[in-house]
Amino acid sequence: GQSLEQPSEVTAVEGAIVQINCTYQTSGFYGLSWYQQHDGGAPTFLSYNALDGLEETGRFSSFLSRSDSYGYLLLQELQMKDSASYFCAVRVSSASKIIFGSGTRLSIRP
Amino acid sequence: GAVVSQHPSWVICKSGTSVKIECRSLDFQATTMFWYRQFPKQSLMLMATSNEGSKATYEQGVEKDKFLINHASLTLSTLTVTSAHPEDSSFYICSAIPPNQQIYGYTFGSGTRLTVV
Repeated sequence: GQSLEQPSEVTAVEGAIVQINCTYQTSGFYGLSWYQQHDGGAPTFLSYNALDGLEETGRFSSFLSRSDSYGYLLLQELQMKDSASYFCAVRVSSASKIIFGSGTRLSIRP
Repeated sequence: GAVVSQHPSWVICKSGTSVKIECRSLDFQATTMFWYRQFPKQSLMLMATSNEGSKATYEQGVEKDKFLINHASLTLSTLTVTSAHPEDSSFYICSAIPPNQQIYGYTFGSGTRLTVV
């Protein structure tokens, strides 16, 4: 089977830093990506890691350790607009099929 | 770049009728598109992989005769929910893979909220 585990909810303060973890067990692995989804909207792409290490894109960074089947999304200088659900997703085939994690609902407090 | 358009954004239909949802890649060609389903406050569940010019590949547990997928061109895939029932009410989202996916990731349509009454 395929499973991606994330915390269901995280709460943080505006301006702070938050890390959302993702562990996965999949039949194949070609890369880990992160998506943001606001209520009622479609997911939007944040980052993609195919190799171990840290990828930085503005306030967001993503990390991958393939040996640990683990990754995380780091959000810095949190803003109220960052309140949303965040999904990790694993590309499980060369045909680019991806499987989503259960999602983490991030709430930002002033 | 890398825009995917999905239509309609919402639809209400009567039980027993069929509904067609369109997914278009506007500025790139997509030989493969994916259809997902999402219930409120839940994750996106992959329903099927749509392949241009060939039959779709359905995930386990998804009824292929109920969820008809057609990918007749490099920019259009359609999902038809046949004989819809209230339990089919959900948020349906398509995605496509732009040429430079390292930058754009998997690009999603805006989704279709289906309500069956």
